Amino acid sequence: RKEVEQDPGPFNVPEGATVAFNCTYSNSASQSFFWYRQDCRKEPKLLMSVYSSGNEDGRFTAQLNRASQYISLLIRDSKLSDSATYLCVGWVYSSASKIIFGSGTRLSIRP
Amino acid sequence: DGGITQSPKYLFRKEGQNVTLSCEQNLNHDAMYWYRQDPGQGLRLIYYSQIVNDFQKGDIAEGYSVSREKKESFPLTVTSAQKNPTAFYLCASSLRTGQGLTDTQYFGPGTRLTVL
Repeated sequence: RKEVEQDPGPFNVPEGATVAFNCTYSNSASQSFFWYRQDCRKEPKLLMSVYSSGNEDGRFTAQLNRASQYISLLIRDSKLSDSATYLCVGWVYSSASKIIFGSGTRLSIRP
Repeated sequence: DGGITQSPKYLFRKEGQNVTLSCEQNLNHDAMYWYRQDPGQGLRLIYYSQIVNDFQKGDIAEGYSVSREKKESFPLTVTSAQKNPTAFYLCASSLRTGQGLTDTQYFGPGTRLTVL
């Protein structure tokens, strides 16, 4: 089982729709989580950090559920420009810190 | 402008040759990282460095080497021992490593390496 798993998609939704992704992690020692956005043939760019209390940035909401070991990303009122691959990232802090990237979820917004 | 730069953007090399990819940051970050991304795949960690003159192997270090002589620079050499070097190489940096939000990584634009 991968340490961080994401549904690869693609998710194909109409403009204006609400879409949600989940990302599950297997290591309970995982402490910090982030969502990154990656456009085709570009570098990943930080979208938001994820806190246990949940955090919101405009149309984007991220949530961490430690009991069930998953992270979620909700996008409201989706725009064509939201089309990208969304990467879930977790840090595991033990004797040696380790970062783990999910393989990404592809999102395509259609007009 | 603060940021991470990688050069070149595209690189072609003949099989059997070593090649060095450049990564420079002016963010005053302590930690720097190298990743490899293959088409349709996630990022895989090659090497990382938490401080000058120190670096650690990641998950796929075989066939690669790095140095960290200056805080700002973390070059990656792809050696002829790397069996499948054609990939998209990404460099990243973070303020620290293993300390919560200071782990937030910022990426350079990447170098696309093709072995002919």
